[in-house]
Amino acid sequence: EIVLTQSPGTLSLSPGERATLSCRASQSVGSGYLAWYQQKPGQAPRLLIYGISSRATGIPDRFSGRGSGTDFTLTISRLEPEDFAVYYCQQYGSSPRRFGQGTKVEIK
Amino acid sequence: EVQLVESGGGLVKPGGSLRLSCAASGFTFSTYSMNWVRQAPGKGLEWVSSIIGSSIYTYYADSVKGRFTISRDNAENSLYLQMNSLRAEDTAVYYCARAKGVSGFDIWGQGTMVTVSS
Repeated sequence: EIVLTQSPGTLSLSPGERATLSCRASQSVGSGYLAWYQQKPGQAPRLLIYGISSRATGIPDRFSGRGSGTDFTLTISRLEPEDFAVYYCQQYGSSPRRFGQGTKVEIK
Repeated sequence: EVQLVESGGGLVKPGGSLRLSCAASGFTFSTYSMNWVRQAPGKGLEWVSSIIGSSIYTYYADSVKGRFTISRDNAENSLYLQMNSLRAEDTAVYYCARAKGVSGFDIWGQGTMVTVSS
């Protein structure tokens, strides 16, 4: 079973800054089935990135994903006020389709 | 419009049962795998269960295996989660989400709250 570890737990940044979020898997994620989700309080999660690096429909290009094997990164190039939220990675190539524990991006 | 709407949540006593439903619209339901994901109050996302389009294969988290059953009715465009022997730790918002291949869990419902308490 693949376990995902996200770091840092909390990222304190200002609007306009660059955010780099990490997701490390306990073993290689098969076929690149690695996704990132954004969740705001009281809302359902929203898919941002699938297949490691493909942006979901309607996701602005300031969001980008990269990585391979066991190490993955979500980058937000310039934080907008609406980007302050919790971000989760997920592997969905094998069962259990676990999520990481999340990274909260908060306003500094 | 592509939409998923959950229902069936509520307050139930420990050891009790509840059946959640997820009504799908706006897409060809039978061609998607469907999933349940839950979130306990103040906690992160926890994948619960998945079912492929034909219902031949189902998958469960260890925390619910043997107690929860996922099913679907493609004629009714509906997904279900039968939850038995409920425990306090099953208290959470339950979301349904669709998936297809590499595309991830791309559409989510708004969630339905399940509270297990005496």
